[in-house]
Amino acid sequence: AQRVTQPEKLLSVFKGAPVELKCNYSYSGSPELFWYVQYSRQRLQLLLRHISRESIKGFTADLNKGETSFHLKKPFAQEEDSAMYYCALSGNNAGNMLTFGGGTRLMVKP
Amino acid sequence: GAVVSQHPSRVICKSGTSVKIECRSLDFQATTMFWYRQFPKQSLMLMATSNEGSKATYEQGVEKDKFLINHASLTLSTLTVTSAHPEDSSFYICSVLGHNEQFFGPGTRLTVL
Repeated sequence: AQRVTQPEKLLSVFKGAPVELKCNYSYSGSPELFWYVQYSRQRLQLLLRHISRESIKGFTADLNKGETSFHLKKPFAQEEDSAMYYCALSGNNAGNMLTFGGGTRLMVKP
Repeated sequence: GAVVSQHPSRVICKSGTSVKIECRSLDFQATTMFWYRQFPKQSLMLMATSNEGSKATYEQGVEKDKFLINHASLTLSTLTVTSAHPEDSSFYICSVLGHNEQFFGPGTRLTVL
């Protein structure tokens, strides 16, 4: 069975502070990990995926297979980063199905 | 990426009635679509995988006779909640699989009175 855990439901930081949204997963095979973001009144959209190894809007995430983690980081948070963030996993035999974590609401205060 | 629409955006119905939700892929021919349900302050839970021209694959615990899925064309999948009850009230979201990525619709809020 696959599982994604986001331990923090809410993360509140001040503008300019570093941000780390935690994500841990459980999967026996080789997973593909994603971060999705949902801004207020907007649909869910892909932020980044681990195989791309790219930085989007200043965010990065590194897959740590030893710790089974895929934490999302940004060195300097901006107010426009305030949103709901979901970590998701797709198993290698799952036909692109996604298992989502519970989500973390990021609030960046001015 | 694919542009996905859902109709209606919100619907209120009486207990016992059936409600149909449409998911359209506007610019992409989607062989595979997914249906999710999201309860308040909870995450998205996959309900079923909708495959064009074949029967949907339902996740464990999801009643296929209650949540009827039809994917008759490459641009349209429908979810019908039959004999809806208040506990079916939720946010229903569809996604389209394209280029190894899921593109999500805006969701449909169903309220069953």
